[in-house]
Amino acid sequence: DAKTTQPTSMDCAEGRAANLPCNHSTISGNEYVYWYRQIHSQGPQYIIHGLKNNETNEMASLIITEDRKSSTLILPHATLRDTAVYYCIVRVANYGGSQGNLIFGKGTKLSVKP
Amino acid sequence: SAVISQKPSRDICQRGTSLTIQCQVDSQVTMMFWYRQQPGQSLTLIATANQGSEATYESGFVIDKFPISRPNLTFSTLTVSNMSPEDSSIYLCSVDDGRSYEQYFGPGTRLTVT
Repeated sequence: DAKTTQPTSMDCAEGRAANLPCNHSTISGNEYVYWYRQIHSQGPQYIIHGLKNNETNEMASLIITEDRKSSTLILPHATLRDTAVYYCIVRVANYGGSQGNLIFGKGTKLSVKP
Repeated sequence: SAVISQKPSRDICQRGTSLTIQCQVDSQVTMMFWYRQQPGQSLTLIATANQGSEATYESGFVIDKFPISRPNLTFSTLTVSNMSPEDSSIYLCSVDDGRSYEQYFGPGTRLTVT
């Protein structure tokens, strides 16, 4: 079973920041927080991941609480093309080594509206 | 990043028949995975395809129903055997190249069983 809890759906106005929350209260010390998204009829796309520090890339920012029990994915300026299902996943990750399986929960359906 | 192609992209099959789905990656990868996404649902991991050994199946999935081949480091097949309408899903191939923390997904094969 998925180890994360996310809201079923969210709306966001185009051009505004989209903040997607995720609870992972049972996360282990060696598990990373991953975010993927799935745009309709496409395969999932990697967005970002982090262990305990906040992370930022060209797509998004990831804010992880100090106790690591929750996190927030931030899309700073949402566009209509960001409409998708967003999945928060916790996973053991070892660079260049074996990885834990990606177990998908139900995700959050984000609708960006004009 | 790894580029993944799947064949066929979609198919309509009659119950009782079998379909083999191909997954081709543009580079050698250590791990390949097969997922199923039933209509309106999230992704479920079917199995991990290991090169040179038998696939590792998740609970609820068996080799007789979903035989998998992994003849080399860039190719895998998933067969859906003795199909029923309940097998109507999108089947996705995914890879871990072992060089990053990312896992990449193919575009999926949309299967309809009548």
